[in-house]
Amino acid sequence: NAGVTQNPKFQVLKTGQSMTLQCAQDMNHNSMYWYRQDPGMGLRLIYYSASEGTTDKGEVPNGYNVSRLNKREFSLRLESAAPSQTSVYFCASSENRGEIYEQYFGPGTRLTVT
Amino acid sequence: RKEVEQDPGPFNVPEGATVAFNCTYSNSASQSFFWYRQDCRKEPKLLMSVYSSGNEDGRFTAQLNRASQYISLLIRDSKLSDSATYLCVVTRAGNNRKLIWGLGTSLAVNP
Repeated sequence: NAGVTQNPKFQVLKTGQSMTLQCAQDMNHNSMYWYRQDPGMGLRLIYYSASEGTTDKGEVPNGYNVSRLNKREFSLRLESAAPSQTSVYFCASSENRGEIYEQYFGPGTRLTVT
Repeated sequence: RKEVEQDPGPFNVPEGATVAFNCTYSNSASQSFFWYRQDCRKEPKLLMSVYSSGNEDGRFTAQLNRASQYISLLIRDSKLSDSATYLCVVTRAGNNRKLIWGLGTSLAVNP
């Protein structure tokens, strides 16, 4: 099992450009998540998808859109990138053991917006 | 007050030492608790979920004190490979999929 995979690993964008970050998991998990991690701040949830066909906002959704393409794939789109979106982006998926959702992460995408 | 607070460290310990980290959380309605580790420039990896009765996994022991709203992690017989940042994580009240992340405690295990 590859677990959670993300593409690309690194990306540099100019302000105003758009891009889609790809995420896929092969663990048959129902729930998937997108986070960003910035220095001096804990991981912050951008969007999540509790199950195929549903998406919900997290703490910092502005400037982002998501698509849960199928059970395996959950993409994050930046329509018009801004320097404030320079960050490391992590995708995660979770299985639930009763009410406990243990999240497993991909290796991250390092995005720089100039 | 931050929702999840951890001592940032760094904790510098020799190999073989026992080290303990604490974490406090502000929302008494949080239901699930976790410790993750994160190596420099890598993704967080689940170390262990923390159960009400406390739980152990090899050299790692986690405890939960709901009355005082704190979680602890004890590492016995530290290895060089334990050097990492340890992240305390709790769920938001009412939604166990939404996690609140601490900033982490940095551990360096020295030869």
